[in-house]
Amino acid sequence: KQEVTQIPAALSVPEGENLVLNCSFTDSAIYNLQWFRQDPGKGLTSLLLIQSSQREQTSGRLNASLDKSSGRSTLYIAASQPGDSATYLCAVNPSGTYKYIFGTGTRLKVLA
Amino acid sequence: DADVTQTPRNRITKTGKRIMLECSQTKGHDRMYWYRQDPGLGLRLIYYSFDVKDINKGEISDGYSVSRQAQAKFSLSLESAIPNQTALYFCATSQQGAQYFGPGTRLTVL
Repeated sequence: KQEVTQIPAALSVPEGENLVLNCSFTDSAIYNLQWFRQDPGKGLTSLLLIQSSQREQTSGRLNASLDKSSGRSTLYIAASQPGDSATYLCAVNPSGTYKYIFGTGTRLKVLA
Repeated sequence: DADVTQTPRNRITKTGKRIMLECSQTKGHDRMYWYRQDPGLGLRLIYYSFDVKDINKGEISDGYSVSRQAQAKFSLSLESAIPNQTALYFCATSQQGAQYFGPGTRLTVL
């Protein structure tokens, strides 16, 4: 059974710092992995989607990497800003299904 | 206009009441999903549908039912609401591996 873990559950950093969020999954047979941002009480906003054949994706200050063999993905945020404060969730799409398994998220706070 | 909409956005009800949450999408996607989100538990899949005639149970379908009225509409019903169904409910669509979420419905069952 695929399980997705995000550690740490919460993180506080000063503004301007580069940071890395981690996502681990137990079964490397995945179709893709997606990173989301969620503001308190709000819906999920898609940040990056990495297909299983890809190693990384970039959008602005965000870079997501995927290492299927080790069951890991990282989300790198460059030059963090207070507006980046939110919960970041990763979700994997196991191969052969159209279902998605979510991690419980990392709650990020960027201090001004 | 948002691509995935949910109504109502907030609902307070009493134990035993029947509740329907509605989801509509303008993205033209065939696949639609209902999740609930609880603090510390992440998002859990309730039901999913690949087209109007294809509906599947997720990991926590007990106490819930769904209806796919059209490609664009997917409704979630709680036949007899209970307090532990208090949660944030999300509808989502997917295509080519990416998921797109609605804004959520906050449901409180007293």
